Amino acid sequence: EAQVTQNPRYLITVTGKKLTVTCSQNMNHEYMSWYRQDPGLGLRQIYYSMNVEVTDKGDVPEGYKVSRKEKRNFPLILESPSPNQTSLYFCASSSTGYSNQPQHFGDGTRLSIL
Amino acid sequence: TQLLEQSPQFLSIQEGENLTVYCNSSSVFSSLQWYRQEPGEGPVLLVTVVTGGEVKKLKRLTFQFGDARKDSSLHITAAQPGDTGLYLCAGAPVRGTGNQFYFGTGTSLTVIP
Repeated sequence: EAQVTQNPRYLITVTGKKLTVTCSQNMNHEYMSWYRQDPGLGLRQIYYSMNVEVTDKGDVPEGYKVSRKEKRNFPLILESPSPNQTSLYFCASSSTGYSNQPQHFGDGTRLSIL
Repeated sequence: TQLLEQSPQFLSIQEGENLTVYCNSSSVFSSLQWYRQEPGEGPVLLVTVVTGGEVKKLKRLTFQFGDARKDSSLHITAAQPGDTGLYLCAGAPVRGTGNQFYFGTGTSLTVIP
């Protein structure tokens, strides 16, 4: 089954404790992306990747890191999380970076930073 | 300031009523997409509109892309409880940065049986 898998689904942690949210897709997609979703703001893009070893900042990259060492994986790293990073996070992939391609989303990771 | 503004933000209607959701921007988009998101899940693509003035129908849902490719609308005829969800428009502006993608602020629709 074609899917985007994120882990963990829920995480409660404390300020400053490094964490990684994993994302994996099995569709051989080139384009992968991370979003955060906050009430009234829709989804905002954090980082995206056009292909292996190619990553770019989205709208809200501050406080986040990403890497794309393999085509299928695109982890999101919070080196020193802060409470304002409490949010619902989604990973997505599409076959290419063209804007008319459908994005396939994971089920989300709800992150709480105390 | 959001690149894509949706209105209304919340909508609660009775089953059988019609409704329209709007997605507006000051930027030109090569295409716009509409997604629906249900609680606990990621957004799922409903449609992509590509040509200015284009109208696409998906059963009771009608999507329109503005002539100037700066806006889009979603019209639902005879809404049903199964239409309940968060509706999001999305796209990449023609004069954007690389392959950055933007989502609208969202419209939360509740259809009451």
